Amino acid sequence: QKEVEQNSGPLSVPEGAIASLNCTYSDRGSQSFFWYRQYSGKSPELIMSIYSNGDKEDGRFTAQLNKASQYVSLLIRDSQPSDSATYLCAVNGDNFNKFYFGSGTKLNVKP
Amino acid sequence: EAQVTQNPRYLITVTGKKLTVTCSQNMNHEYMSWYRQDPGLGLRQIYYSMNVEVTDKGDVPEGYKVSRKEKRNFPLILESPSPNQTSLYFCASSSLAGALGPDTQYFGPGTRLTVL
Repeated sequence: QKEVEQNSGPLSVPEGAIASLNCTYSDRGSQSFFWYRQYSGKSPELIMSIYSNGDKEDGRFTAQLNKASQYVSLLIRDSQPSDSATYLCAVNGDNFNKFYFGSGTKLNVKP
Repeated sequence: EAQVTQNPRYLITVTGKKLTVTCSQNMNHEYMSWYRQDPGLGLRQIYYSMNVEVTDKGDVPEGYKVSRKEKRNFPLILESPSPNQTSLYFCASSSLAGALGPDTQYFGPGTRLTVL
């Protein structure tokens, strides 16, 4: 059984702080990693994708991947109340075409 | 506007009454997929399709059928719905531009299904 684990939260941070979201996965063959954001009652939308070990930055968001530790994280700098949402970690399976999602971490950014 | 559409958005039905949820995308994507989302369980993949007439099982395919007769459409069929299929369903599509499989998935607005 492929697993993607996330802390369900809620993670509460003050406005302007750094939010750190973590995800571990069980399938060593996984090659593609995604962070999606889902507002309440809405569909998921992509924040970032990452494929290689190391950091990938896009504006206020940084994704970090460590395949040896089977760990992927998302850092949100200068958190805003509009960042309050559930963040879903997604990983592809060893055939690359199947996807496994974590149950999501709920982030609350307090003004 | 590039989008994935699903219909209906809400559906209440009874056990055993066959139903179809439609999904259509206008982005010429090869890859399409169905997910169900349940509290505490996240998104679980039901079926996916790499192209027309090419479909494969995801993690939770039991009780569902799909077909891909046209590139833009990927309907989800519940032949005999049961209460444990009450869930929020999302359709998604993606291009296959990379060597590592589907890239960004674009999700439809969701279909909330209740089976009594």
